[in-house]
Amino acid sequence: EVQLVQSGAEVKKPGESLRISCEGSGFNFNSYWIGWVRQRPGKGLEWMGIVYPVDSDTRYSPSFQGQVTLSADKSISTAYLQWNSLSASDTAMYFCARQDRAAAGFDLWGQGTLVTVSS
Amino acid sequence: YVLTQPPSMSVAPGQTARIPCGGHRIETKFVHWYQQKAGQAPVLVVHGDDDRPSGIFERFSGSVSGDTATLTITRVEGGDEADYYCHVWDSRSDEEVFGGGTKVTVL
Repeated sequence: EVQLVQSGAEVKKPGESLRISCEGSGFNFNSYWIGWVRQRPGKGLEWMGIVYPVDSDTRYSPSFQGQVTLSADKSISTAYLQWNSLSASDTAMYFCARQDRAAAGFDLWGQGTLVTVSS
Repeated sequence: YVLTQPPSMSVAPGQTARIPCGGHRIETKFVHWYQQKAGQAPVLVVHGDDDRPSGIFERFSGSVSGDTATLTITRVEGGDEADYYCHVWDSRSDEEVFGGGTKVTVL
């Protein structure tokens, strides 16, 4: 089955670090860009950035540049989204999605990872 | 680059829903549309202005002219109740941009 499977929900305290994952299966992971999208509770979709697993090339939204790190391990078909220091405003659902090129649609989405940051 | 969508709209079953997405010269960009039902991940329903991925009903179609792209849903059903988002890539800033989303309620 063609799918992106994300890691499970996380509950963290402000200031803690976190890395969530997105594993692809059923398709050639290295032929696609993997993007990350944030959705705060009751709000819309926000593009965070994208990573190309073959060479780990990344592009970030200016809104997220310096706030998160995108990476990928092509050998295990997995992309990552990482924070060094979480804050309450990072509480959201995070989706990964694949894209075969810039300007293309995101044609396959992960199920989402809920991150809750609370003291 | 900003994409503008109405926050909500209502449509009766069997009628046609037309969801607009406004952006400067959006006709020069590829526009994609997503359906997101409550508690679920988004699903691509139209890409490249007016193409449908396999498995998407023919009732969903897209069009674009000037500064407005439109997702049209014909013969609306209760199962179409969802949030709908438009999306483009802005080449000037090299960013993917989403509209704010439109919540479609089926009366």
